Amino acid sequence: DIVMTQFPDSLAVSLGERATINCKAGQSVLYSSNNKNYLAWYQQRPGQPPKLLIYWASTREFGVPDRFSGSGSGTDFTLTISSVQAEDVAVYYCQQYYAPYPTFGQGTTVEIK
Amino acid sequence: EVQVVESGGGLVQPGGSLKLSCATSGFTFSDSPIHWVRQASGKGLEWVSRIGSKADKYATTYAASVRGRFIISRDASETTAYLHMSSLKTEDTAVYYCLSYSLYATPPWRWGRGTLVTVSS
Repeated sequence: DIVMTQFPDSLAVSLGERATINCKAGQSVLYSSNNKNYLAWYQQRPGQPPKLLIYWASTREFGVPDRFSGSGSGTDFTLTISSVQAEDVAVYYCQQYYAPYPTFGQGTTVEIK
Repeated sequence: EVQVVESGGGLVQPGGSLKLSCATSGFTFSDSPIHWVRQASGKGLEWVSRIGSKADKYATTYAASVRGRFIISRDASETTAYLHMSSLKTEDTAVYYCLSYSLYATPPWRWGRGTLVTVSS
């Protein structure tokens, strides 16, 4: 198993402020042959399925607002919400797909302060 | 448009069985591994099982928590995958999501909306 650890577990941010979520993989998820990081980020609002935000660590899914961005490589990754909006209240998960089966971080809850 | 739609969830007694279906469209089914991931109420995401593509001979893998009780399969002609669950336990209660994966697709992951399985007497 590749263990994925997110921090913090929760954070409260004022509207319009920046939110930063970190994710650390137990081993590198960078595949050297194609130089891609096999790392995705999801947003899950209450009662909804997870929604893909970012894949290949930094590629934003179509339709995702550009206030969401992903960065990092190897074992350390970050999801940044540049200016938090009310609709961003949710749980965020990172996922590795380097291994034959995916594993997920424990989730980070974003709330409005 | 890629679509992944789960069905077959419901209420079942401990020790019982249930078969989930995952109907897909909009992509080359035989080229894509299919995964099942579950989420208990208020909890995180747990990978359950994977069935490989035609290229890797539809190899199957299971999480330790379900190995020997769940069987994943796929029907190429129907572009549908299945998860046959038996000897169900109360701790199997969760929303079950079907996921398709393709290294060459944009995006590489597609999720269904999930189907709820409740194991209770």
